[in-house]
Amino acid sequence: GQQLNQSPQSMFIQEGEDVSMNCTSSSIFNTWLWYKQDPGEGPVLLIALYKAGELTSNGRLTAQFGITRKDSFLNISASIPSDVGIYFCAGQLLNAGNMLTFGGGTRLMVKP
Amino acid sequence: EADIYQTPRYLVIGTGKKITLECSQTMGHDKMYWYQQDPGMELHLIHYSYGVNSTEKGDLSSESTVSRIRTEHFPLTLESARPSHTSQYLCASSRAGGGGETQYFGPGTRLLVL
Repeated sequence: GQQLNQSPQSMFIQEGEDVSMNCTSSSIFNTWLWYKQDPGEGPVLLIALYKAGELTSNGRLTAQFGITRKDSFLNISASIPSDVGIYFCAGQLLNAGNMLTFGGGTRLMVKP
Repeated sequence: EADIYQTPRYLVIGTGKKITLECSQTMGHDKMYWYQQDPGMELHLIHYSYGVNSTEKGDLSSESTVSRIRTEHFPLTLESARPSHTSQYLCASSRAGGGGETQYFGPGTRLLVL
């Protein structure tokens, strides 16, 4: 099936630092979604992107839909301990019947 | 805020038992999905539904079955649970908006088969 390459796989940062993670693919997507998942919980939607080049913010989070439609990034500014979790990107292919392809996740650890 | 619910949240059960994982959403979404996820790993689609009486198998082969008799309800059943079924099961539903579909997830059911 289609693959999304998400990087980095894990990050261990100091509180207050900015974080950047991205997803890339060889396929073209018409929607990019970013989720955060806490242990034992379901993924929670952070940001949804629907147009190439779109830049959207949600508090300290900013995500962009790449111009080529093959990539997306998520930035977190001034990280805090509650940012800890696994962040997943998900892309929706055009004419894929609304199916999502998920990245492998980025595990974020924040040191107070 | 997503209004999608899953029960039970945790289930420990013996091999060979029949189990049903419940999923309900109050958002009126037509499309619903079941994913299987091992801890810290990516999500794999096992079933989906476009609406009442519609069910399809996902990318990952699963011995489970689903039904969609009502829009808001999408239960998943395992006729005979095995240790290999131990995993987290996540239900999702989606709506169209802003040019694309957005999936919202329930809290998940963590299943342990002994």
